[in-house]
Amino acid sequence: QQPVQSPQAVILREGEDAVINCSSSKALYSVHWYRQKHGEAPVFLMILLKGGEQKGHEKISASFNEKKQQSSLYLTASQLSYSGTYFCGTEGSNSGYALNFGKGTSLLVTP
Amino acid sequence: NAGVTQTPKFQVLKTGQSMTLQCAQDMNHNSMYWYRQDPGMGLRLIYYSASEGTTDKGEVPNGYNVSRLNKREFSLRLESAAPSQTSVYFCASSVKDNEKLFFGSGTQLSVL
Repeated sequence: QQPVQSPQAVILREGEDAVINCSSSKALYSVHWYRQKHGEAPVFLMILLKGGEQKGHEKISASFNEKKQQSSLYLTASQLSYSGTYFCGTEGSNSGYALNFGKGTSLLVTP
Repeated sequence: NAGVTQTPKFQVLKTGQSMTLQCAQDMNHNSMYWYRQDPGMGLRLIYYSASEGTTDKGEVPNGYNVSRLNKREFSLRLESAAPSQTSVYFCASSVKDNEKLFFGSGTQLSVL
């Protein structure tokens, strides 16, 4: 089942922070985050595993609340290069099934 | 390093025509996937192959068939294309199930 992402779109000025949320109605084993720039393929950012800790990538970090079946992606001090569409992909507790991706959150960072 | 290579990059078909999208990876990955991406819908899984010799249906398999030819190659076939199959198709691979996915550059398919 497709996870739900919010917000659908966000516009930031360079240097501002943003949070993108991803929630599922099913128990989760892991959450993936990917970023896709216009006309390009999605690129992996990070994986969060059940029972694991928050993992970071430069100024982009994420958390995973297993009980609430939610994950949040934190972008701090945003840069122009952060613009793109962010997708969360979730893996259910029955490991072995492929990822289900959300519909994406469009992020635009302006000068 | 080539990574995941998809061919063709663009294709226009008439309704009812058939075609095969090719995908190859050179990273010795076990798992391979086919996704389609439509505006506002995100990435939806068509088929995947957890390992050589196995294939499984994803969320939207109707109208498609796949072949895991060997460990490197995973093809997607449209037997009788329909306008609803107009989309951007991405192939991806990972070392094993649901680890970091590496995506190909995509195939933009239009069915008229």
